[in-house]
Amino acid sequence: GESVGLHLPTLSVQEGDNSIINCAYSNSASDYFIWYKQESGKGPQFIIDIRSNMDKRQGQRVTVLLNKTVKHLSLQIAATQPGDSAVYFCAVWVYSGNTPLVFGKGTRLSVIA
Amino acid sequence: DVKVTQSSRYLVKRTGEKVFLECVQDMDHENMFWYRQDPGLGLRLIYFSYDVKMKEKGDIPEGYSVSREKKERFSLILESASTNQTSMYLCAISDRDLYEQYFGPGTRLTVT
Repeated sequence: GESVGLHLPTLSVQEGDNSIINCAYSNSASDYFIWYKQESGKGPQFIIDIRSNMDKRQGQRVTVLLNKTVKHLSLQIAATQPGDSAVYFCAVWVYSGNTPLVFGKGTRLSVIA
Repeated sequence: DVKVTQSSRYLVKRTGEKVFLECVQDMDHENMFWYRQDPGLGLRLIYFSYDVKMKEKGDIPEGYSVSREKKERFSLILESASTNQTSMYLCAISDRDLYEQYFGPGTRLTVT
């Protein structure tokens, strides 16, 4: 099976600083990784994804890094803004038939103005 | 834009009542999922369905059942609601593959 853990349940950063949210997974056969953002009162929203054949992918102000050697995934947010305050989840998928995503428990990011 | 709607944003029910939560999608996606979300426990999969009339148990199916009679609609049923089923319930959909899930806004259910 697969289990997904996050290193920190909460993270506070100063507005304008960079944020790094970490995630660890257990199954070396994991094939696909997603980061979601969940704002208060809303469902999770897709931010960025990465496949296992990559080690870095960049979006707008966000970068996902994948280290398969240590089974570690991180989300970096550049120049963090108040609108980035939310809970961030990583999710991992293993290609093995009808197995859906496995989610981590989430890190709550608070941006200090 | 992907659209996943859930029948209610907030719901209050009494212990022992039968509760229906509905999820409707307009994307013609194959797969639909029901999760519950609780503080400190993250997202836990209750049931999912990869086709009409098909269902698979997730991690915590006890106390729940589901129905998928039409492709666009996936219902979660609490046969006899209990206070420990007070939670946020999230519906999600995905296309042929089981990743890239898109979520609805959630239903916050309180059972008193």
